[in-house]
Amino acid sequence: GENVEQHPSTLSVQEGDSAVIKCTYSDSASNYFPWYKQELGKRPQLIIDIRSNVGEKKDQRIAVTLNKTAKHFSLHITETQPEDSAVYFCALLTGGFKTIFGAGTRLFVKA
Amino acid sequence: DAGVIQSPRHEVTEMGQEVTLRCKPISGHNSLFWYRQTMMRGLELLIYFNNNVPIDDSGMPEDRFSAKMPNASFSTLKIQPSEPRDSAVYFCASSPGTGTFSGNTIYFGEGSWLTVV
Repeated sequence: GENVEQHPSTLSVQEGDSAVIKCTYSDSASNYFPWYKQELGKRPQLIIDIRSNVGEKKDQRIAVTLNKTAKHFSLHITETQPEDSAVYFCALLTGGFKTIFGAGTRLFVKA
Repeated sequence: DAGVIQSPRHEVTEMGQEVTLRCKPISGHNSLFWYRQTMMRGLELLIYFNNNVPIDDSGMPEDRFSAKMPNASFSTLKIQPSEPRDSAVYFCASSPGTGTFSGNTIYFGEGSWLTVV
């Protein structure tokens, strides 16, 4: 069935450094890849997304890259700040309107 | 827009009791999802509806779980009888479900925090 693997599970960086989270998937029909941020005790919220006909998308300090041939996509956060500390989930849209999520990456940004 | 509205926000119940979680999706959204979140299993998709019709319930853990969507503005997730291992945060989410790029974005409710003792 559909599957998405996310790495690493935990990531600790110094404030100002970059953070990269990677996800791989198996369903070649997937064409929509969103990323969600979940702060402690809150709901997951969309931070950026990319469609399969685009290789890269950027929004200020956040960027997402997609390699459809290799079936992986990554989230890049530059100039990290303490408020970036949260759990980040990659996701993908499978057949129909079904969205499945990766296991999550807990990001710690040390001041 | 008020967003996806879930109730109750918190519930503590005894093992064996029936639990009903409620959800009001964003007006105009065609797809509704129920997810369960635990530390061990992450965000699991339990079931999703499109135009009030259940499309995929393969994530429903067992017969104790059932979900309904009687109309476009209301859905329930029921657990009967509840067990301690059902303790989790249950998120309801909705999306426009139009098939367009922006129509695929999922919007989550604040979650229902369930504890079964």
